[in-house]
Amino acid sequence: EDQVTQSPEALRLQEGESSSLNCSYTVSGLRGLFWYRQDPGKGPEFLFTLYSAGEEKEKERLKATLTKKESFLHITAPKPEDSATYLCAVQARTGTASKLTFGTGTRLQVTL
Amino acid sequence: ETGVTQTPRHLVMGMTNKKSLKCEQHLGHNAMYWYKQSAKKPLELMFVYNFKEQTENNSVPSRFSPECPNSSHLFLHLHTLQPEDSALYLCASSQDDGASTEAFFGQGTRLTVV
Repeated sequence: EDQVTQSPEALRLQEGESSSLNCSYTVSGLRGLFWYRQDPGKGPEFLFTLYSAGEEKEKERLKATLTKKESFLHITAPKPEDSATYLCAVQARTGTASKLTFGTGTRLQVTL
Repeated sequence: ETGVTQTPRHLVMGMTNKKSLKCEQHLGHNAMYWYKQSAKKPLELMFVYNFKEQTENNSVPSRFSPECPNSSHLFLHLHTLQPEDSALYLCASSQDDGASTEAFFGQGTRLTVV
């Protein structure tokens, strides 16, 4: 069974204080690993897709990396508007349609 | 309109009511999904439709009944729900063509069963 574990569950940072969020996964044949951002009461917003170990993607203050067992979302010099829940999901190779297995997320709060 | 649109945004229903959630995608995708999001739990996949055909039913109780009349529209019909069914229901779509592609989500319907 595919599994995704995210840590920490919650993270409080001061503005400008860089940190990393972790996503550990087990999947029977990784097709892709996804990072989403979710604001309260809203649907998840797509951030990145990573396909193979060693791959990195960047967007503004966010950088996602992937190994064979885990992914990290690095946040450099965060701002209060980066406060949100960050979700990690994996997509397995099985089946005819894309199915995502999600973690429980990391709730990030960035304060002034 | 663009993206994935869900209506209504909020719904309060009694346990004996019948209601429907609607989802429409304007992305030209061929796969659509219903997910359930409860507090402190990961998103749970409920149903998958690919080219209007249901390809996945994740042991969802029969009080939830999906309908996909075409590749752009998806419904979730609800009847005789329980209070524990209160959650955020999310619709998503993706282009499933053999390559790994991301799913795009709607804003969700916040359902409260009283």
